[in-house]
Amino acid sequence: SYELTQPPSVSVSPGQTARITCSGDALPKKYAHWYQQKSGQAPVLVIYEDNKRPSGIPERFSGSSSGTMATLTISGAQVEDEADYSCYSTDSSAFHRGVFGGGTKLTVL
Amino acid sequence: QVQLVESGGGVVQPGRSLRLSCAASGFTFSTYGMHWVRQAPGKGLEWVAVISYDGSYKYYADSVKGRFFISRDNAKNTLDLQMNSLRAEDTAVYYCAKEELVYLDHWGQGTLVTVSS
Repeated sequence: SYELTQPPSVSVSPGQTARITCSGDALPKKYAHWYQQKSGQAPVLVIYEDNKRPSGIPERFSGSSSGTMATLTISGAQVEDEADYSCYSTDSSAFHRGVFGGGTKLTVL
Repeated sequence: QVQLVESGGGVVQPGRSLRLSCAASGFTFSTYGMHWVRQAPGKGLEWVAVISYDGSYKYYADSVKGRFFISRDNAKNTLDLQMNSLRAEDTAVYYCAKEELVYLDHWGQGTLVTVSS
């Protein structure tokens, strides 16, 4: 089955740039989307279709994708950005069949 | 605004069944695909199942195929997940999510399913 791979954790100081990667063989052909999940809360979409930001998401959140790797970048990370971040994409064999990366815990302190 | 409210979670013994529901409002339910996603305690998100806007196609994760069944009632704006032959590893918070093109743009708050004897 198709897999997306993320680092388990990333740590930055406030104001630094945080980069979280997501690798998958189908990413050259499929979009990556990113979700933020704070403790005890439902996931929130922060980036869709590789690099688009939903309304209400701060401009410091951006996304990019090249080859088999997608990257979520938080420029000038804030303490309130501390959360779990998961990438999501669709299986190349079935258009709407989804798959999540294992998630990355972002620590900002 | 879009609202998704899950219900039906609880404690169930291994091997038994449970049916989850998701009540949708704030959008034209019958024109969007819908998904179920789960999260085991302390673990990451796991995609479970999808149903098309009209119910004509359904896909499942390998981990639940043949045991879980997704359905929808467009007249009642509800999404269901019938879970049979439950296992301890099915213990998780179950979220319903609305599909927008190829991503999930709105999520419910989730309902906890605990499989334990």
